[in-house]
Amino acid sequence: EAQVTQNPRYLITVTGKKLTVTCSQNMNHEYMSWYRQDPGLGLRQIYYSMNVEVTDKGDVPEGYKVSRKEKRNFPLILESPSPNQTSLYFCASTARGGGRNEQFFGPGTRLTVL
Amino acid sequence: AQKVTQAQTEISVVEKEDVTLDCVYETRDTTYYLFWYKQPPSGELVFLIRRNSFDEQNEISGRYSWNFQKSTSSFNFTITASQVVDSAVYFCALSEDYGQNFVFGPGTRLSVLP
Repeated sequence: EAQVTQNPRYLITVTGKKLTVTCSQNMNHEYMSWYRQDPGLGLRQIYYSMNVEVTDKGDVPEGYKVSRKEKRNFPLILESPSPNQTSLYFCASTARGGGRNEQFFGPGTRLTVL
Repeated sequence: AQKVTQAQTEISVVEKEDVTLDCVYETRDTTYYLFWYKQPPSGELVFLIRRNSFDEQNEISGRYSWNFQKSTSSFNFTITASQVVDSAVYFCALSEDYGQNFVFGPGTRLSVLP
């Protein structure tokens, strides 16, 4: 089954404790992205990757890091989480052609930073 | 810069009523893509439709229809004979060609009452 998986689905942590949210896709997609969803703001792009070892900032990259060492994986790293990073996070992948194609979204990770 | 506006924050209708969700976009690109996604209460994001900037034909899929008008930069979504299962948050999104700059609107929460 074609899918994007994210782990964990739910996470409660404390300020400053480093965390990683994993994302994996099995569709051999070149493009992958991370978004955060906040009430009234829709989804905002954090980082994206157009291929292995190629990443770039989206609209709200501050406080986040990503890496793309393998085509299928695109982890999101919060080195020192803060309460304003409490949000619902989505990973997405897209086939070659980027913006021409619909994105396939993971199930979401609800993060709470205390 | 690209921007998507969904002026309707929340809409409530009674089952079997028709409802139109508005989407207005801004872009300087001549080639771009427009999308609608549905987010039901369970939280996942479901792709509904993609339309490219060169194709202004309206599209109908069952009870769903989309009206794309470049002259007014709008891509509106109509649900005919709404059902309770249509209750969800609906997002309109805009992307550039090839790139990964997907911009989402803030979403419209649709409640269909029995």
